Amino acid sequence: DAGVTQSPTHLIKTRGQQVTLRCSPKSGHDTVSWYQQALGQGPQFIFQYYEEEERQRGNFPDRFSGHQFPNYSSELNVNALLLGDSALYLCASSLFWDRAGNTIYFGEGSWLTVV
Amino acid sequence: DQQVKQNSPSLSVQEGRISILNCDYTNSMFDYFLWYKKYPAEGPTFLISISSIKDKNEDGRFTVFLNKSAKHLSLHIVPSQPGDSAVYFCAAAGTASKLTFGTGTRLQVTL
Repeated sequence: DAGVTQSPTHLIKTRGQQVTLRCSPKSGHDTVSWYQQALGQGPQFIFQYYEEEERQRGNFPDRFSGHQFPNYSSELNVNALLLGDSALYLCASSLFWDRAGNTIYFGEGSWLTVV
Repeated sequence: DQQVKQNSPSLSVQEGRISILNCDYTNSMFDYFLWYKKYPAEGPTFLISISSIKDKNEDGRFTVFLNKSAKHLSLHIVPSQPGDSAVYFCAAAGTASKLTFGTGTRLQVTL
């Protein structure tokens, strides 16, 4: 049973460019959340998708957008990249009814470097 | 405004001894608290959680204690093993599995 898979693993982009990160959730999970982890910090919640709709959003600008597909996979898009967007982007999958967070599984992340 | 805080960036403990990792929070609306372990180049891995209606939860070598009046929780690892060396994150859940993380504590278990 594959866990949460993310792609690409590493990428380098130039300021002003756009990036798309992809996530396939754990089998059986219906909810995907995205987190940004800057160096030396804990992961910060970006947004959450369920039934192809954004359900919750953290304190991130509109440059950060996402999508969930009918097969529950998800994309995170970041436009007009800034140097400060350099971070590890983590995808987490879970079951929507799980308020306790016990079903949350994280992928290994996508390292984004903006130069 | 950091709602979940881990004030100790690092901790070193001898193998076989107890490791105690601490976490403080400010938002009394959090319903669940979780601990994650993270190795380099891997995503966080769930360790143990506790509901806000409990004050202790135990799973093998790991025990989490919650003091709601102090808005404080701690993770005890007994006995500590070299494989426990990692970064530990405290996280709190309010609604629909949205997690608010602390900044992490790097645990080093020495021989």
